[in-house]
Amino acid sequence: EPEVTQTPSHQVTQMGQEVILRCVPISNHLYFYWYRQILGQKVEFLVSFYNNEISEKSEIFDDQFSVERPDGSNFTLKIRSTKLEDSAMYFCASSGLAELTSYNEQFFGPGTRLTVL
Amino acid sequence: GEDVEQSLFLSVREGDSSVINCTYTDSSSTYLYWYKQEPGAGLQLLTYIFSNMDMKQDQRLTVLLNKKDKHLSLRIADTQTGDSAIYFCAEKSDSWGKFQFGAGTQVVVTP
Repeated sequence: EPEVTQTPSHQVTQMGQEVILRCVPISNHLYFYWYRQILGQKVEFLVSFYNNEISEKSEIFDDQFSVERPDGSNFTLKIRSTKLEDSAMYFCASSGLAELTSYNEQFFGPGTRLTVL
Repeated sequence: GEDVEQSLFLSVREGDSSVINCTYTDSSSTYLYWYKQEPGAGLQLLTYIFSNMDMKQDQRLTVLLNKKDKHLSLRIADTQTGDSAIYFCAEKSDSWGKFQFGAGTQVVVTP
């Protein structure tokens, strides 16, 4: 069964460093998302991406964040200068047109745990 | 703004029914979902309900929606140890939009 994959599963970085979190969405999907969950808190929406551009972003998604689809398979989230409060689990999700027009499912990856020291 | 609240922990004995509750504030919520997360895995869609429905049953799962009170519940009948996971309630107001999630309810099933 097709699934969304994310690498790495755990990333440890120093404050101020840049990190890139990688996701491979399901191959025929067109809509891509990043969410994050700070430990013990809610899963929060960061950004959605369609047709090679951001379609919606939250207040969390400031100038330190960027997303890219560098090739036909990867979808990346870059944090330019990490802060302690960026420590969280980051989930990638994708949807195809069929899922969005029926019951609106987004398929989620297993997450990348980011720890900023 | 929109908010989704759920209790953080539920302990249940194997074979009993589990009921996980969720409340939401966005009256324009059109789609409501339950996702399950097992350790090391992603969020897996368990079931969903449209806002024009009151109830949906899917094998051992029953979803009840009280739109007036903005209350959603998930009942798992005959809970098994494999049901131990974190369960997330989520809502969406339009097809293309983002999910609004709760913090997740950790369900622990004891023998």
